[in-house]
Order: sequence, then structure tokens, then C-alpha cells
Amino acid sequence: DTGVSQNPRHKITKRGQNVTFRCDPISEHNRLYWYRQTLGQGPEFLTYFQNEAQLEKSRLLSDRFSAERPKGSFSTLEIQRTEQGDSAMYLCASSSGTSGGTTDTQYFGPGTRLTVL
Amino acid sequence: ILNVEQSPQSLHVQEGDSTNFTCSFPSSNFYALHWYRWETAKSPEALFVMTLNGDEKKKGRISATLNTKEGYSYLYIKGSQPEDSATYLCAQTDSWGKLQFGAGTQVVVTP
Repeated sequence: DTGVSQNPRHKITKRGQNVTFRCDPISEHNRLYWYRQTLGQGPEFLTYFQNEAQLEKSRLLSDRFSAERPKGSFSTLEIQRTEQGDSAMYLCASSSGTSGGTTDTQYFGPGTRLTVL
Repeated sequence: ILNVEQSPQSLHVQEGDSTNFTCSFPSSNFYALHWYRWETAKSPEALFVMTLNGDEKKKGRISATLNTKEGYSYLYIKGSQPEDSATYLCAQTDSWGKLQFGAGTQVVVTP
């Protein structure tokens, strides 16, 4: 069990460019979550998957954001036409999903820090 | 809407001293309360998942209590060490399993 991994760890991009982040969850974890953390705030929920199905999206997730989890394994989060306000730490977490998610421990990756110039 | 609040925002502790801080959350529709420790450049580390009123959990020198009726949890660090320096996050689970985080308490332990 190697834990949750995220790539890249850091991404610097220019405003208007597209970026894609990858998350590899703990194997056999059914649930995968994306959160975003900005300075001085706690992580905020963006979206989550149960296997390959995307079950909920936060209103924070504008049309420029899209997430996928093909075959219920790794997940990607893409941001199109990045804006300076997208600068944040993007965190991925996975859980077993055995309790319907409400009491499961979510295991986090180290995050991808995005800086939009 | 769930609003989780943590206080204080930051605190400085002398090595060897004990400390505690608070997480407040809406007491209605409670499912679980999570504590995480997040050190710089590392992944947030899960400390505790607490579900029952009166729960007390312990991991080494760190312990936590839960009061779901009044909507608060305390995290205690006994005999603080420099390696305890981190941001401590609490989060409440909603009915879908997603976490609603507080802003965290940043703990700095000085030798």
C-alpha cells in the first residue's frame, strides 16, 4: 500500500492555459475526492467519485473544471483557461466507501500546488 | 450548510508543555468528526474519526474528545515536541461522505 499519490506536485502556468492533475488512490478504494485549499482556509470539497461515477460536484467547480475517473482507478482534474483565482493547493483523497462514506477515513495525497501567473 | 470553526487560529507552545484547541460544528445531522495533522510539504495525516457522543480517542501523546450534543471536539497534545508542529484540521462528514473542514489551528512548538 503506497498511499495516495498526486502528480505533479507543483505546477506554474500562465493565465489562459489548460492544466491537468492526476491522482492515484489507494488500490481498491471505491471513493475518490477532490478538494481545493487556498491560503488561510481549510480544504473545500470540489467533487467525488464512487468507482467511475461522478456523484456530486460543488458549485465551486465552474464549467472550466472537469474531472474524470476512467475505470474507477486513477482520476484527473482538468482546468481550462486558468485564471489567477485558480491558484491553490488541489488535494485528492480516497476511502474504502464501506460505510457509505460517512464514517470512512479519507486518506489524502500530498496535493498539487497550482500557481497561475 | 455545515460550518466548522476552529480556535485558536494559531498557537505557540514551549517544548514539554501541554496544549489543547477546539473544533466547533453544527450538532444537527451529525455523522462523524475527523481530525487531521498536516505538516508542511506532506499529506494530511488522519488522526481520528469520532462518531459517538462522549467518544475519547488517543494516539500517542495526542487525544481527542467529542460532544455531539453541544457540537464541539477538543484535541489535546501532552508534552509537546517540535515534531508536533503542524496545522491541525477538523472536519465534519455530511450525509454524502464529503468533508467540511475548519480553517485549522497552526501549532508551533519551540525548543
